[in-house]
Amino acid sequence: DTAVSQTPKYLVTQMGNDKSIKCEQNLGHDTMYWYKQDSKKFLKIMFSYNNKELIINETVPNRFSPKSPDKAHLNLHINSLELGDSAVYFCASSQEITAEQYFGPGTRLTVT
Amino acid sequence: AQKVTQAQTEISVVEKEDVTLDCVYETRDTTYYLFWYKQPPSGELVFLIRRNSFDEQNEISGRYSWNFQKSTSSFNFTITASQVVDSAVYFCALPGGTGGFKTIFGAGTRLFVKA
Repeated sequence: DTAVSQTPKYLVTQMGNDKSIKCEQNLGHDTMYWYKQDSKKFLKIMFSYNNKELIINETVPNRFSPKSPDKAHLNLHINSLELGDSAVYFCASSQEITAEQYFGPGTRLTVT
Repeated sequence: AQKVTQAQTEISVVEKEDVTLDCVYETRDTTYYLFWYKQPPSGELVFLIRRNSFDEQNEISGRYSWNFQKSTSSFNFTITASQVVDSAVYFCALPGGTGGFKTIFGAGTRLFVKA
């Protein structure tokens, strides 16, 4: 049973398009996150959600809009994609903020 | 503001060597947690350990050990008798920010273990 799943695993699209990445966790966790990992492996928090409420929006352009329809899901929609959005996006969840995070397999987004 | 520094960008060792990965952190919180995660070449991120700031005891798990020293704000990770399967990027992390919801990751240390 996959604990944190993301779809799709790979996403290749052109500049200006809109795309979504879906994330689901079956761990019963209250807290979910989106991270961006660039080509140098630097991992940066984008959003944190707790009980479906947005807690952290880490100066992410408003082209990125997360949505949490319920505690088990945190989706990421990206409008007007730019070349600089190319990265691996990781979803994660944790039981509480001091607990370890469980990561999804990542979505490699390539914008051409 | 929280900060995590992993000064070693890449380390290369030969199998069976011991290797230590350094992590230095900055925080104004009196209570905090520190984490290590592993990212093998396959790309997934795997939790290794969590340490509470009140607990300065060293921890050992098989070939892995962690040395936490509050006095030097360091949380170093040692792999004893390294193996090729240990080749990965290792991240040190520190939750902080608003209510602890903003986890800061270090830049990572890429470890190459050669056979």
